[in-house]
Amino acid sequence: QVQLVQSGAEVKKPGASVKISCKTSGYSFTNYTIHWVRQAPGQTFEGMGWINTDNGNTRYSQKLQGRVTITRDTSSTTAYMELSSLRSEDTAMYYCARNLWGSPAFLDAFDFWGQGTMVTVSS
Amino acid sequence: EIVMTQSPLSLPVTPGEPASISCRASQSLLQSNGHNYLAWYLQKPGRSPQLLMVLGSHRASGVPDRFSGSGAGIDFTLTISRVEAEDVGVYYCMQAIQVPTFGQGTRLEIK
Repeated sequence: QVQLVQSGAEVKKPGASVKISCKTSGYSFTNYTIHWVRQAPGQTFEGMGWINTDNGNTRYSQKLQGRVTITRDTSSTTAYMELSSLRSEDTAMYYCARNLWGSPAFLDAFDFWGQGTMVTVSS
Repeated sequence: EIVMTQSPLSLPVTPGEPASISCRASQSLLQSNGHNYLAWYLQKPGRSPQLLMVLGSHRASGVPDRFSGSGAGIDFTLTISRVEAEDVGVYYCMQAIQVPTFGQGTRLEIK
């Protein structure tokens, strides 16, 4: 069965970086785009960007451009999201999610989600 | 950025009664292929969201047929024909023509 399993909760100081992993299994990794979404406490979701897991091409939100980097390791079928220059407003639950349809589609809807990784930014 | 606006934000419903949630986008979600790139999700407490509808009106795999979606362009609606206790949670619409943005969420509760 399809699974996306994320790394554990993180506590970071302002100005630091965080890197979250998303280990996938149960399907052909390079056939489906992986997206990253975050949800601040009590807020709605915010799309952060995505990665074409086949060729590594990425697209980021304008708001986070320059601070977010999404990568993947095809050998371990794992995607990563790194966010730098952390500030208190980055405190949120971070999710990876699989695009519904496989290549060449890259953005339709998200059918499988990771369990979420809580990132807390506090001095 | 496309702004997604949902209403109502809170929806108390009696079991067995219908419920509807509206979602309006700040620009059209209709693509040149004729599809509207609008998805609906339900997030139950403490859980990751689950996909309900794709392309505005297509139920995702395993979603009960009491859920239906309609709309095109900028206005969309999610309808539950007969609400059940398991339907409680927060419903979100999401546009999928740019980096995704979501509505504020509609909290459905049982009266």
